[in-house]
Parts: sequence; structure tokens; C-alpha cells
Amino acid sequence: NAGVTQTPKFQVLKTGQSMTLQCAQDMNHEYMSWYRQDPGMGLRLIHYSVGAGITDQGEVPNGYNVSRSTTEDFPLRLLSAAPSQTSVYFCASSYSQGMNTEAFFGQGTRLTVV
Amino acid sequence: GESVGLHLPTLSVQEGDNSIINCAYSNSASDYFIWYKQESGKGPQFIIDIRSNMDKRQGQRVTVLLNKTVKHLSLQIAATQPGDSAVYFCAENRAGGTSYGKLTFGQGTILTVHP
Repeated sequence: NAGVTQTPKFQVLKTGQSMTLQCAQDMNHEYMSWYRQDPGMGLRLIHYSVGAGITDQGEVPNGYNVSRSTTEDFPLRLLSAAPSQTSVYFCASSYSQGMNTEAFFGQGTRLTVV
Repeated sequence: GESVGLHLPTLSVQEGDNSIINCAYSNSASDYFIWYKQESGKGPQFIIDIRSNMDKRQGQRVTVLLNKTVKHLSLQIAATQPGDSAVYFCAENRAGGTSYGKLTFGQGTILTVHP
């Protein structure tokens, strides 16, 4: 059981370049989210999805796009990278059934924009 | 406990002691809370959750307490072990509904367990 898989693990971009961070889950979870984590801070929500075809903005959505064409995949796109987007990015998936809820995070993508 | 600023709160304990990590949340409409553990270089790991209609929930060696009156959440770890050393985050769901993927995180507390 792979859980939540993020690729790549590390990436260096030049200012203005674009790229897509990949996230895939094999648990058939409804909910998927993208967070960024900066030094000394907690995770901040970028975008999230409550199901295929449905996405919404989180706390810090500017500069990022997402889509959810399938239940399994939730890619995060940086259209024009900026140094302020240097961060560690985490994808998460979760489900809720009655009193039982589980949320799983990927291992993260460490992005540096120079 | 949680605080605003660049330096994370820290808690140092001896192996075998009980640990208590605190978190204050701001939104009285939050109805779901989770504690996560994050080890260096890894993603957050789910520990335990609690809904707003409860004031206590127990897991294996962990207990979460929720005080809605003062908007306070705590995580108690019994018989703390060196493997418990990590950063601990509380998170709240402010959606007030079923969107459990939309969480707001605290800044974290560094727990260090000395053998």
C-alpha cells in the first residue's frame, strides 16, 4: 500500500519557470489537499479538493493552480515560480466515515526557486 | 504550547515521563481537531483526532483533551519514549462541515525526549 506519493522529492527552479508537483493516492480517499511548510511554521493550505472535478482555494492560493480529474491524482502547478515559493510542499489525502477519520501526508517536495 | 513567532515552543522531558503539549485555537466554529507528529524530513503523521462534541479521546499512549470554553486543546503522551521526539502540530477544521481536507495548523511544538 503506497499511501500518498509525491514526486519529485527535490526540485530547483529558476525564477519564472513553471512546473507541476505530482501527488497520487491509492486509498480511494475523497479529500486531497496541498500545503506548504516554511521554516518554523506550521502547514498552510494552498488548495484542496473534496472529490474529482471539485477544487477550492485555501489560505495561500496565489501563484498555484490545481485540478482533480481523477480521485487518485491531485497535481499542483506553479505557473511562474518566484523565490517566495521556496518551501516544502506536502500533499495530503483523507476520508471521514462516522467517528473514524484518517488523514495521510506524502513525504514532501522540497522546492528551491533561485 | 503554540505561539506566534519564528521560534517554536519546546518541551524537554526524560524518558518514561508523561508529556503534555498544548494548543490554543481561535475559531469557536471549528468542529474537528487533529494532532500530528512530524519527524525531521518526513511528512506529518496522524496521531489522534477529536470532534467538538467530545472533551476527551484516548488512543494508544496518547490522550487528547478539548476545552471548548477556553478554546484549548492538549495532547498527553504517557511514558514518553525517545522515538516520540518530533515536532507536534495541532490542526483545526474551520469549515464547520464535512470538508476534513481543509485544516488550519498551529505552528508546532518541539518535543525532545532524553534517555
